[in-house]
Amino acid sequence: GESVGLHLPTLSVQEGDNSIINCAYSNSASDYFIWYKQESGKGPQFIIDIRSNMDKRQGQRVTVLLNKTVKHLSLQIAATQPGDSAVYFCAENGDSSYKLIFGSGTRLLVRP
Amino acid sequence: DADVTQTPRNRITKTGKRIMLECSQTKGHDRMYWYRQDPGLGLRLIYYSFDVKDINKGEISDGYSVSRQAQAKFSLSLESAIPNQTALYFCATGRAGGVDEQFFGPGTRLTVL
Repeated sequence: GESVGLHLPTLSVQEGDNSIINCAYSNSASDYFIWYKQESGKGPQFIIDIRSNMDKRQGQRVTVLLNKTVKHLSLQIAATQPGDSAVYFCAENGDSSYKLIFGSGTRLLVRP
Repeated sequence: DADVTQTPRNRITKTGKRIMLECSQTKGHDRMYWYRQDPGLGLRLIYYSFDVKDINKGEISDGYSVSRQAQAKFSLSLESAIPNQTALYFCATGRAGGVDEQFFGPGTRLTVL
């Protein structure tokens, strides 16, 4: 399949374990944050988002945590499955109301 | 049917050729975006449009042009392709109003020889 990042940081986890993917964002003015999942040969797919008036938001098997003090965002995936193997991108809006600024991504590998 | 479609999915061309990548959406969104993805660099914004006749440059617009032919269609052109434009290209849509989720197409892999 296509590689979206030849030199991405990689997180390798055992199937069934929890995964934590971290992201440091750059702009203190950002008030919207989003995580995307990109599988080989596909476009990015929405996972979960969070606005700056929250520090935690949960979805199905996923949780996003926001720490504005240190400008840090994390994505937690519970009971990681082989289908979770992908590249994960965080994005922030900076001082914009319509643009997203994407990080370079983290590759998640799930070992059977 | 996919909400955001891109054609072609793969294209190989030669230096100096003019190339057009097309994007169509059935989501009814006003905002449309073109991004470029290179290994290890995430997604970078080339152009965006809020409506027909509204065109705005992104961070890497040099060497590219766009056309918003209708609310549902947004095309990206490389007037004279060069090898460093070899990349994955993604179209995305977004709802009007404040910043929100963007919805991506499947991508076009472009190779310029």
